[in-house]
Amino acid sequence: AQSVTQLGSHVSVSEGALVLLRCNYSSSVPPYLFWYVQYPNQGLQLLLKYTTGATLVKGINGFEAEFKKSETSFHLTKPSAHMSDAAEYFCAVSLNPYSGGGADGLTFGKGTHLIIQP
Amino acid sequence: EPEVTQTPSHQVTQMGQEVILRCVPISNHLYFYWYRQILGQKVEFLVSFYNNEISEKSEIFDDQFSVERPDGSNFTLKIRSTKLEDSAMYFCASRGTSGSETQYFGPGTRLLVL
Repeated sequence: AQSVTQLGSHVSVSEGALVLLRCNYSSSVPPYLFWYVQYPNQGLQLLLKYTTGATLVKGINGFEAEFKKSETSFHLTKPSAHMSDAAEYFCAVSLNPYSGGGADGLTFGKGTHLIIQP
Repeated sequence: EPEVTQTPSHQVTQMGQEVILRCVPISNHLYFYWYRQILGQKVEFLVSFYNNEISEKSEIFDDQFSVERPDGSNFTLKIRSTKLEDSAMYFCASRGTSGSETQYFGPGTRLLVL
């Protein structure tokens, strides 16, 4: 079984400041990790993902995340927040999709609402 | 750029009625999923579908729910007898071949059960 914990249901930062959204996971097997963003009244858009290899992954809109196995974490960061970053951010974990058969439903965290102060 | 589409965008129904939510996955994708998001809560996995059969389902996906790929393009979620607690946003997602890990989500259908 897998689970995802996102610390902080709401995070507020000033425009231009560092964004840090926390995600910790629990998985009995090596996880595949994802960050999705949801803008108001829209669907989920993939920001970035970790599968294997390099533990620091870069995504769209200047976001990046680092997989730390020892800490079971996959925190999302962005050096300088922009007003357009205001949205809901979801961390998710899945089993290995390469195992075949499609048994890789995503388990999501509760989400973090990012607020950007002008 | 190919995208997942869902219809309708909004649906209002009476408790006990059947609803069918429709999705058109990205055309060359092989794996299909339904998720739901109750207002203010997290996104929850319902079911995954591959090779014309259910691969995995959550405890939420009980006998009231069913999925079908009636033709080569549509993927549907049916709720046989809706309950108030079925009110939620329902997202469809699809994934390509086994060489791709990313699930692409549609914009969702907001279902309101009265």
